Amino acid sequence: DIVMTQSPDSLTVSLGERATINCKSSQTVFNWSTNKNDVAWYQRKPGQPPKLLIYWASTRDSGVPDRFSGSGSGTDFSLTINGLQAEDVAIYYCQQYYGSPYTFGQGTKVDLK
Amino acid sequence: QVRLQGSGPGLVRPSQTLSLDCSVSGASVNRDLHFWAWVRQPAGKGLEWIGRVSTGESITYNPSLRSRVTISMDKSKNVFSLQMTSVTAADTATYFCARERATWRGKSLFLSGMDVWGQGITVTVSS
Repeated sequence: DIVMTQSPDSLTVSLGERATINCKSSQTVFNWSTNKNDVAWYQRKPGQPPKLLIYWASTRDSGVPDRFSGSGSGTDFSLTINGLQAEDVAIYYCQQYYGSPYTFGQGTKVDLK
Repeated sequence: QVRLQGSGPGLVRPSQTLSLDCSVSGASVNRDLHFWAWVRQPAGKGLEWIGRVSTGESITYNPSLRSRVTISMDKSKNVFSLQMTSVTAADTATYFCARERATWRGKSLFLSGMDVWGQGITVTVSS
């Protein structure tokens, strides 16, 4: 299985500041047949299902605010929230869908300072 | 708008079989070229991909659960289902159904994340 390791496990950020979450895969998740990195980022709030934020490592899903951005390629990826808002308090997960079984990172909890 | 509605019992006895359904509206499991998946999350733990079924009823399972899990599709009802046998307390979790978005471009399959999720079904395994 491809292991996805996120860092840090938790993050405390002031309103309006930047939050950066890292995700490292145990092997490359670059898909040569599509020329895409098969990585997604999700936001999970209590009592709600995960919400897709980013796919192909850097493409925002429809309706996702542009303060969320993804970057990276190969084995190293990041999710950045520029100008953290109160509603961004959540747990964030990366996921690879390059190789079955698709696997998630352990999650990073983002809180307000 | 595509919506997924999961249903099933909230309590299952140990060693019994867990059965969950996911009703799809706004899309057709028979026609749409996406995958229909199950994911679970034990309280306080991470997300685990259980497996998925395609429109052509090609099924992929997480090998860690393969021996106990069956995912199926009822095209006439626009429903896909999960069965898990011989459950234990370790299977206590919130179970989500989700759509894995897929697009074919020529001969290449482009997956682009799980974009639609059911609300989650909390399942407790206890006697």
